[in-house]
Amino acid sequence: GAVVSQHPSWVICKSGTSVKIECRSLDFQATTMFWYRQFPKQSLMLMATSNEGSKATYEQGVEKDKFLINHASLTLSTLTVTSAHPEDSSFYICSAPKTAATDTQYFGPGTRLTVL
Amino acid sequence: QKEVEQDPGPLSVPEGAIVSLNCTYSNSAFQYFMWYRQYSRKGPELLMYTYSSGNKEDGRFTAQVDKSSKYISLFIRDSQPSDSATYLCAMSAGGNNRLAFGKGNQVVVIP
Repeated sequence: GAVVSQHPSWVICKSGTSVKIECRSLDFQATTMFWYRQFPKQSLMLMATSNEGSKATYEQGVEKDKFLINHASLTLSTLTVTSAHPEDSSFYICSAPKTAATDTQYFGPGTRLTVL
Repeated sequence: QKEVEQDPGPLSVPEGAIVSLNCTYSNSAFQYFMWYRQYSRKGPELLMYTYSSGNKEDGRFTAQVDKSSKYISLFIRDSQPSDSATYLCAMSAGGNNRLAFGKGNQVVVIP
């Protein structure tokens, strides 16, 4: 398999503040990473595709100015939730394919965001 | 019609039973098929990966893909309480395209 880490695993913040979540591929390089959010007992919802060295591609309905994505290296992508509000409280998960050939994606452990 | 259909109904089975899960899909371009297991408040863990049609076995897990029927299955033999989790099917057309997910099946194995 492949290892993807996320930091932090759990964060609580006040409404109006910004929160940064890191996603790292530990044993492989990832030119592409994906960011998902998941509400309780629901499936994964793709938010955006993060591409190393270029702008992220956002899914329809996802505010790119609110969810800032930076993929500055082949092993690190960050998601910043700006001016967070209680409705942004969710489970955020990143994933990365180990190779371009298979599309098999490896997921991070997730970050639980609670906005008070 | 959704790209991937997975009946999300919870499934409870006694320990030792065979668990059978399945998904149907509509996009004929899909050629990579995966099953993920997700424990509560954790990220999904890749269980099985299959390319195109056929069967693949790994220990107690068997994945089947029937591209002609656009139908994939996961079987868990000799189920254990530790298999209690949500199982998500996922598929892709390739080329680092995004994955299309099913809604997930919550499985509970009762000791």
